Amino acid sequence: EIVLTQSPTTMAASPGEKVTLTCRASSSVSYMHWYQQRSGTSPKLWIYETSKLASGVPNRFSGSGSGTSYSLTINSMETEDAATYYCQQGSSYPLTFGSGTKLEIK
Amino acid sequence: QVQLQQSGTELVKPASSVKISCKASGYTFTSNYMHWIRQQPGNGLEWIGWIYPGNGNTKYNQKFDGKATLTADKSSSTAYMQLSSLTSEDSAVYFCGTGFAYWGQGTLVTVSS
Repeated sequence: EIVLTQSPTTMAASPGEKVTLTCRASSSVSYMHWYQQRSGTSPKLWIYETSKLASGVPNRFSGSGSGTSYSLTINSMETEDAATYYCQQGSSYPLTFGSGTKLEIK
Repeated sequence: QVQLQQSGTELVKPASSVKISCKASGYTFTSNYMHWIRQQPGNGLEWIGWIYPGNGNTKYNQKFDGKATLTADKSSSTAYMQLSSLTSEDSAVYFCGTGFAYWGQGTLVTVSS
């Protein structure tokens, strides 16, 4: 099973700040998906296939990476970006998720 | 538009079973994988498995073998997940999702005597 380790576990950012969330895989994967989840709601696909923004996602978000190291970046933090972000690999079974990064607004 | 409507909250007793439904609309039900995900209280996401409604093929996370059974009814565009031999560890919110782009609202299952 491929284990995904996200860092940091929790962080707080000020409006306008640049934010980078990291996801490291225990083995190489072909691509990474990212999900945003707000409390009490379903996860939303946010970035797919490493760098493609899902429909409706603001272009201040970007994704990058390859092999075992992937990241999600917010160019300029906004209040509405506060949520938990999960990475997920679809390269091998079982499909696995990271444990999430909780992003808060300062 | 794509919609996945899940069944309501379940309060069930230990050692019993429960069957959750996920009714799909707005897309071709038989041509897309339906995934099921578990989220335990305060925890992250776990993939349970998928079913391909077109032919009934399934793929499970080994962790859920014997715990979860996925089925689909093409006539009503509804996917089902049955959970058996329930324990408190199975208390969680369960989501269905098609291609991971669209998700149901989640079904809370609470296992308690």
